[in-house]
Amino acid sequence: EIVLTQSPDFQSVTPKEKVTITCRASQSIGTSLHWYQQKPDQSPKLLIKYASQSISGVPSRFSGSGSGTDFTLTINGLEAEDVAAYYCHQSSSLPVTFGGGTKVEIK
Amino acid sequence: EVQLVESGGGLVQPGGSLRLSCAASGFKFSSYYMSWVRQAPGKGLEWVANIDQDGSEKYYVGSVRGRFTISRDNAKNSLFLQLDSLRGEDTAVYYCARMFYFFDYWGQGALVTVSS
Repeated sequence: EIVLTQSPDFQSVTPKEKVTITCRASQSIGTSLHWYQQKPDQSPKLLIKYASQSISGVPSRFSGSGSGTDFTLTINGLEAEDVAAYYCHQSSSLPVTFGGGTKVEIK
Repeated sequence: EVQLVESGGGLVQPGGSLRLSCAASGFKFSSYYMSWVRQAPGKGLEWVANIDQDGSEKYYVGSVRGRFTISRDNAKNSLFLQLDSLRGEDTAVYYCARMFYFFDYWGQGALVTVSS
């Protein structure tokens, strides 16, 4: 099973600040890595697919990068509506797995 | 508009059974893999099961294999999850999700609580 380790677990950020979340895979997964946002009391929402590909309707301040074992989700200029938990997910092999999540709040 | 609506959640005793349903609309249901993903209270996301387009291939996470059964009815645009021999650690919100390597649409979730 491929283990995804996210860091940090929690981040408190001032508005307009840049947010960086990392996801490390226990073995190489190419770019089979996807990011989700889950706002409080809502279902998860797809943010980025295949490590860096944007999703229609998602604000351009969200971007992803990386390949192999190291990946990054960046929020360029946090807004109040971005308060949420963020999860990475690998689809390289079964069982598909998720990272433990990163909670982002406004300072 | 793609919609996934789960139903069938509730309170069940340990060792009991429950059947979750997911009604799909707004897309050609028979053309997609479908999945169940769960989230225990205050915890992260855990993939539970996948089913291919015609229901011939099914995959499960190890902790539920032999206890849960995923199925689908393409004529009724519906996905199901039969949960048997339930344990306390199965308590979670269960999400139905459309899958194309990534999960691009999610339902609102159905809460399953296993407790005596």
